[in-house]
Amino acid sequence: SQQGEEDPQALSIQEGENATMNCSYKTSINNLQWYRQNSGRGLVHLILIRSNEREKHSGRLRVTLDTSKKSSSLLITASRAADTASYFCATASISSGSARQLTFGSGTQLTVLP
Amino acid sequence: DAGVIQSPRHEVTEMGQEVTLRCKPISGHDYLFWYRQTMMRGLELLIYFNNNVPIDDSGMPEDRFSAKMPNASFSTLKIQPSEPRDSAVYFCASSPGAGASSYNEQFFGPGTRLTVL
Repeated sequence: SQQGEEDPQALSIQEGENATMNCSYKTSINNLQWYRQNSGRGLVHLILIRSNEREKHSGRLRVTLDTSKKSSSLLITASRAADTASYFCATASISSGSARQLTFGSGTQLTVLP
Repeated sequence: DAGVIQSPRHEVTEMGQEVTLRCKPISGHDYLFWYRQTMMRGLELLIYFNNNVPIDDSGMPEDRFSAKMPNASFSTLKIQPSEPRDSAVYFCASSPGAGASSYNEQFFGPGTRLTVL
């Protein structure tokens, strides 16, 4: 079953604009991760935020986590055409018995128009 | 490092045939995961191994699916007999042990696109 649900399912923006994607989940987590998948490729890890963290930055990426609302957001600033991809949140649930086991959301398809 | 290697990249087979997907994890990684991705169901965890031992196979759809990890550098996912509904992209991922700085991160292979006619 899918733990995380991304919103929106699809997002189309102009190059240079910011892109925000949201993820909601259901159970208590150890950490939440964001991955990117280019068409026809495997997933690539972007950033991890732990349950006791509220915000994290990596380059043009900013992730926030609100455990009270069981939600996270991924912000990509100054988007580029190369950012066009699907973005997935993945949760490591405390109840799964292993923080290694990730449950992926349904993904947001981001299109950045040149 | 070559990353996670999967073979074949594409497989087309007929219903009832046996299919074997192969994975070579990143050297030194302790965890190996098998996922299936479809439009309808998204990315699903099928099974994962720790130090070559299967830890959780609750995601394996049915007895037609089996996975093995005979050593630290090789794993197989077998479907016998295959059915059209098994058509999907199958991903293998690996993850380092607890001592590594990126120990929670999973590194994915390029996937095997399986089509069962």
